[in-house]
Amino acid sequence: NAGVTQTPKFRVLKTGQSMTLLCAQDMNHEYMYWYRQDPGMGLRLIHYSVGEGTTAKGEVPDGYNVSRLKKQNFLLGLESAAPSQTSVYFCASSTLAGSSYEQYFGPGTRLTVT
Amino acid sequence: SQKIEQNSEALNIQEGKTATLTCNYTNYSPAYLQWYRQDPGRGPVFLLLIRENEKEKRKERLKVTFDTTLKQSLFHITASQPADSATYLCAPRTGANNLFFGTGTRLTVIP
Repeated sequence: NAGVTQTPKFRVLKTGQSMTLLCAQDMNHEYMYWYRQDPGMGLRLIHYSVGEGTTAKGEVPDGYNVSRLKKQNFLLGLESAAPSQTSVYFCASSTLAGSSYEQYFGPGTRLTVT
Repeated sequence: SQKIEQNSEALNIQEGKTATLTCNYTNYSPAYLQWYRQDPGRGPVFLLLIRENEKEKRKERLKVTFDTTLKQSLFHITASQPADSATYLCAPRTGANNLFFGTGTRLTVIP
């Protein structure tokens, strides 16, 4: 099992450009999440999904959109990037089984917006 | 709104000693609390979960306590090793969709 993978690992964007981050998991997990991590701020939830075709807003959703067309994939889109979106982005997944809600994280994407 | 505080941004201890990390939360009542480890340049990795009706949980050299009256969890690493150096995150949870993390404590174990 590859677990949770993220594409790309690094990206530099100019202000106003758009991009999509891809997250894939091979554990058949129901839940998937997108976080951003900034120094001194910790992990903050952007959007999450409780199943294929469903998405919900997290703590900091503004400026981002998501889609979950397939159970194994969760896409994070930035329509018009801003320097404030410079961050490290982590995707995670979890299952309802066991009820521990243990989250499995990907390796992260480092995004710089200039 | 919910607030999670992990005391000490950074903690340095000598190898072999016990490291104790603190997680305090306010304005909500988590049903359980998770601890994660994060190494530089990597995603967090789940370590332990403790439920509100459990006072203490152990896993090898790790021990977690959960005091719902004090709204606090303590995370202990006994016989610490340089390989334990990392950032440790706590995450009190009310359910699958209540997903807040503390900012973490960076632990350095000095040989």
